[in-house]
Amino acid sequence: GAVVSQHPSRVICKSGTSVKIECRSLDFQATTMFWYRQFPKQSLMLMATSNEGSKATYEQGVEKDKFLINHASLTLSTLTVTSAHPEDSSFYICSARDRLVPHSYEQYFGPGTRLTVT
Amino acid sequence: SQKIEQNSEALNIQEGKTATLTCNYTNYSPAYLQWYRQDPGRGPVFLLLIRENEKEKRKERLKVTFDTTLKQSLFHITASQPADSATYLCALDNTGTASKLTFGTGTRLQVTL
Repeated sequence: GAVVSQHPSRVICKSGTSVKIECRSLDFQATTMFWYRQFPKQSLMLMATSNEGSKATYEQGVEKDKFLINHASLTLSTLTVTSAHPEDSSFYICSARDRLVPHSYEQYFGPGTRLTVT
Repeated sequence: SQKIEQNSEALNIQEGKTATLTCNYTNYSPAYLQWYRQDPGRGPVFLLLIRENEKEKRKERLKVTFDTTLKQSLFHITASQPADSATYLCALDNTGTASKLTFGTGTRLQVTL
């Protein structure tokens, strides 16, 4: 149980284009999902918290107009990188918390999406 | 400033030995601390959580200690196996609400035959 999927697993796009990454909780419902970014040999950095039915909360320094987050259902959150540039190339990972276990601190992570902007 | 420090150098140990990884933090007062395993090109996998009022937690071959005075957690893998080779991350939540995890940079463990 508690599986999170991401699609696509890898994507290459040209500079200036937009890319959408999907994060799905497959066997549980998540009112809250998190988006992280990880650069090579660095730690995961929280970008934003995605709440179902409301606006995402972005961390300091993360441009909300560049990284659009939509959490339209209890099992799906999307991250759209708009007008991508080579510096946006990174490993994007989502995680989710099971809404039926509100006091659990465990986050279930997806397998990640490798974005390369050329 | 807040910091979570893990040994950035890889830890190489022989199969069967106990691996000990360290997580030190400054300017945090975490209600709990978590350890995750991450394989190359994959997302982290939750291993253990230890609360501030717990000194030690065990799960099969894994053991975690938490010293809030030293601001340090130790993560032990006993009877290590080559399959334990991965990067291990510690993570803190300063809010106590599981809403904002901050990760250390991780320590790569390599278990050899």
